[in-house]
Amino acid sequence: EVQLLESGGGLEQPGGSLRLSCAASGFTFSNYAMNWVRQVPGKGLEWVSSIRTDASTQYANSVKGRFTISRDNSKNTLFLQMNSLRDEDTAVYYCAKIGGSDWYFDFWGQGTLVTVSS
Amino acid sequence: EMVMTQSPATLSVSPGERATLSCRASQSVSNKLAWYQQRPGQAPRLLIYDAFTRATGVPDRFSGSGSGTEFTLTISSLQSEDFAVYYCQHYNNWPLTFGGGTKVEIK
Repeated sequence: EVQLLESGGGLEQPGGSLRLSCAASGFTFSNYAMNWVRQVPGKGLEWVSSIRTDASTQYANSVKGRFTISRDNSKNTLFLQMNSLRDEDTAVYYCAKIGGSDWYFDFWGQGTLVTVSS
Repeated sequence: EMVMTQSPATLSVSPGERATLSCRASQSVSNKLAWYQQRPGQAPRLLIYDAFTRATGVPDRFSGSGSGTEFTLTISSLQSEDFAVYYCQHYNNWPLTFGGGTKVEIK
């Protein structure tokens, strides 16, 4: 059974940093691209970042230069380093696995809430 | 950036009735279109990918159609567990983008 478990969320001040983690199990982690998607409470979904199996990355314009996605295949873990946090980064952050070889998301974690506020 | 527009924003339907949800892309996305269901307090769940292929375990009352810029998700006979918010997402190019969602509520 595929499981994705996010952690690392919490309250941070504007300009601060947080590092999110996503522990994966139930599939061969190194064989799949992984992603972060966020959702402001009560609002819609926003793709944040993706990392391929070769560790190449993609970012939404809203986070480019501030967020860094990475992976540790030896620990089956996905990361999101978030720097220079802004109020508008407040959201639930979901880790998601791609389906097959295309960029839709077939499994999602339960999410971790990041709140940016002074 | 591809803009995905979903309509209507809210759809009021009685249990057992048919629901038709629309998703429009600002440019062609070929068949690179997925649909997700999100129940309150839960993570999104994949329903449809490649515009019409049902994900594993998705009941056959859910069907997807369309290509290019116009897509439809049809729920043939609404069950109580289907009242939720539905999102479309394209994956034809970067950045990946989602529609704003359609809330299916009980009439």
